[in-house]
Amino acid sequence: EPEVTQTPSHQVTQMGQEVILRCVPISNHLYFYWYRQILGQKVEFLVSFYNNEISEKSEIFDDQFSVERPDGSNFTLKIRSTKLEDSAMYFCASGGTSGRYEQYFGPGTRLTVT
Amino acid sequence: LAKTTQPISMDSYEGQEVNITCSHNNIATNDYITWYQQFPSQGPRFIIQGYKTKVTNEVASLFIPADRKSSTLSLPRVSLSDTAVYYCLVGDQKAAGNKLTFGGGTRVLVKP
Repeated sequence: EPEVTQTPSHQVTQMGQEVILRCVPISNHLYFYWYRQILGQKVEFLVSFYNNEISEKSEIFDDQFSVERPDGSNFTLKIRSTKLEDSAMYFCASGGTSGRYEQYFGPGTRLTVT
Repeated sequence: LAKTTQPISMDSYEGQEVNITCSHNNIATNDYITWYQQFPSQGPRFIIQGYKTKVTNEVASLFIPADRKSSTLSLPRVSLSDTAVYYCLVGDQKAAGNKLTFGGGTRVLVKP
């Protein structure tokens, strides 16, 4: 069964550094998403991406964040100038093929900002 | 967006049926009810979605009364591997591309 994959599984970075989280969505999906989950808290929507542009973003997704689909397979989340409070599990998801509405989540990248 | 209320946690034993009820009093006409499951350190996984009455798949059943103000996810004969957090989501999730809004979920612990 096709899966969403994410790399790395764990990223440790120092405050102020930039990180890029990578995702390979399921190949025939049209919509791509990033969510995050701070330890012990809810899963929070960050951004959705369709047709090579952002279709919706949350208040969390400010100028510090950006997304890109640099080629036909990868979907990336860039976090500039990381802060301690950016430490969280970041999940990529994809969905939206014809007649299918559920989202498929990747295993996540645990980001630790020190 | 319809607010959902579900128990914070539930304990069960292997082989039992687990029923998790979610309240969504202000559900809108276009809203669907969707349940996701999340194992520790993994991403959420779609379980089932419904609009009214009963929906069943190989994993679970979803019961929705006529007024749609609540719904019940039923997990038949649970095993230890069903220990997870279960989220009830209400919204227009039938449309591709819509974001998912998660609440706190119900933490189900299946004991031997």
